[in-house]
Amino acid sequence: DIQMTQSPSSLSASVGDRVTITCRASQSISTYLNWYQQKPGEAPNLLIYTASTLQTGAPSRFSGRGSGTDFTLTISSLQPEDFATYFCQQSYRKPDTFGQGTKLEIK
Amino acid sequence: EVQLVESGGGLVQPGGSLRLSCEASGFTFNRHWMSWVRQAPGKGLEWVANINRDGSAKEYVDSVRGRFTISRDNAENSLYLQMNSLRAEDTAVYYCARDLGLASPGTEFDSWGQGTLVTVSS
Repeated sequence: DIQMTQSPSSLSASVGDRVTITCRASQSISTYLNWYQQKPGEAPNLLIYTASTLQTGAPSRFSGRGSGTDFTLTISSLQPEDFATYFCQQSYRKPDTFGQGTKLEIK
Repeated sequence: EVQLVESGGGLVQPGGSLRLSCEASGFTFNRHWMSWVRQAPGKGLEWVANINRDGSAKEYVDSVRGRFTISRDNAENSLYLQMNSLRAEDTAVYYCARDLGLASPGTEFDSWGQGTLVTVSS
């Protein structure tokens, strides 16, 4: 299976900060990489798909980059509603696998 | 509005069975691949199984293959997961999730249900 490793596992930041989360695949996955946001008690919500395409309805402060094995999710200016856990997911090869998550907390 | 509503979770003893259901509305169900994704308490996400548009193709993660069966009824706009020989490590919230449906072969889960909790314990 393809292993997905996110860093950091947790992150403290302030409203207005620029934040970047990294996801690394154990082998090349082209751009078959998606990002999700999950808030406590809720289902995940798709933010970015195919590495860099913003999902309809997702705020434009979210952006994604990368290809091959290294990917990033950037939030350009943190808003209070962005404090949540973020997961990456590869769909290059079954089984689809997710990163362990990055918990973004308020500083 | 796209809606996915899961049901059927509960407490079951090790070795027991459960059948999860997911009722879909607000979109043309038979145009989308569907999946089950689970999340153990306080843990990350794990893809469990998927099924193609007409139900003729199914895939499973190794840990459930041979024990779980995914199916769908397009006439009823419903997705199912039959879970047999349940183990403690199957304890999780189970989500049904819709594939976005891009032309590319990847999977993007653009809609999720609220989840149903399955607890396997004696």
